Amino acid sequence: SQQGEEDPQALSIQEGENATMNCSYKTSINNLQWYRQNSGRGLVHLILIRSNEREKHSGRLRVTLDTSKKSSSLLITASRAADTASYFCATDDGQGAQKLVFGQGTRLTINP
Amino acid sequence: SQTIHQWPATLVQPVGSPLSLECTVEGTSNPNLYWYRQAAGRGLQLLFYSVGIGQISSEVPQNLSASRPQDRQFILSSKKLLLSDSGFYLCAWIHGAGGLNYGYTFGSGTRLTVV
Repeated sequence: SQQGEEDPQALSIQEGENATMNCSYKTSINNLQWYRQNSGRGLVHLILIRSNEREKHSGRLRVTLDTSKKSSSLLITASRAADTASYFCATDDGQGAQKLVFGQGTRLTINP
Repeated sequence: SQTIHQWPATLVQPVGSPLSLECTVEGTSNPNLYWYRQAAGRGLQLLFYSVGIGQISSEVPQNLSASRPQDRQFILSSKKLLLSDSGFYLCAWIHGAGGLNYGYTFGSGTRLTVV
């Protein structure tokens, strides 16, 4: 079953605006990760946040984690056309084999 | 540096034909290896994972099988393809110990169309 569920399924904004995507999950986690996928390509790891962290930054990316609500958000600031891609959250329950369960993804379109 | 190779990039196969997709990792030893499938416009479904040579764990019962004949080689197979096997197949790896702290590294994927 899918652990992470992203919201919205699709998001279209103008270049320069901020994009926010949300992820909800169901069970306890060890960490939560965000990945990016350009059309027809493999996924690329963006950022990881551990269960004992509440916020993390990497360049124009900001991730928050609320374990009490079992939710996370990914904020991309000052969006660019090159940010157009699908974004997935994935959770690790820390139960061994280091398996990730991925959500359905958010399709982000940045309009120039 | 570590690299992951996945081939072929695209494949069109008739129903009932066999399948063999290969994934190899270079520049590391004893990686954890994973096969995922992605339906069009959907998330990723974990199919198989392996923590060592000859060690295969199946996540979803289906028409597919996996093997790991060498430390850095992971193969996805089927004896007879079904239409429902169509999808985008992705291989991924991490270091065996604590690798998940750095995230998965994915191959470029194989788009399989069963006709």
